[in-house]
Amino acid sequence: QTIVTQEPSFSVSPGGTVTLTCGLTSVSVSTTYYPTWYQQTPGQAPRTLIYSTNTRSSGVPDRFSGSILGNKAALTITGAQADDESDYYCVLYMGSVWVFGGGTKLTVL
Amino acid sequence: QVQLVQSGAEVKKPGASVKVSCKASGYTFTSYDINWVRQATGQGLEWMGWMNPNSGNTGFAQKFQGRVTMTRNTSISTAYMELSSLRSEDTAVYYCARAITMIRGAPMGYWGQGTLVTVSS
Repeated sequence: QTIVTQEPSFSVSPGGTVTLTCGLTSVSVSTTYYPTWYQQTPGQAPRTLIYSTNTRSSGVPDRFSGSILGNKAALTITGAQADDESDYYCVLYMGSVWVFGGGTKLTVL
Repeated sequence: QVQLVQSGAEVKKPGASVKVSCKASGYTFTSYDINWVRQATGQGLEWMGWMNPNSGNTGFAQKFQGRVTMTRNTSISTAYMELSSLRSEDTAVYYCARAITMIRGAPMGYWGQGTLVTVSS
């Protein structure tokens, strides 16, 4: 069974930069997995941030960016703000099925 | 603007089935896949499957094969997800999510508000 891995938690200072990653247990993540990133706050539906590795969804500020770093997909937040404190999920396309990572809880402090 | 409005919360007994609806507006319903994703309380997101509203073709995560059905009524732009043989572990918020582009297999882009399904005896 393929597992999509994310850091369980991360912290960043206000104004700082943080990079969250999304990997696979057995192979490298590439653009062919169409990595997609979501932000979710408690009690709310997910918000789409980045799709197909590095395309920002409509209305998403450019301080959110996506890329491939080494063998993982990455979400970078520059100039972190207090309301970036959320759960972040990546999802990968594994040949007709989507598989979510376990999510990263980002704290801004 | 794209809107997905889901049906209200449900309480079901173990062994029963639940059917959640997702009414779409603001775009051509048959042009974009609909996915279903669930989230147990305090847990992460779990993809269940997709449906092409034009053809009715579906695909499911292996975990849900044989227990989930996804259908649609194009005349009212509504998608449905039915989960059978419910057990307590199926207690979760269920989301419908429209694909972000028209390309087959495109990721989820627009989300419904979620429907809480509680399975309890």
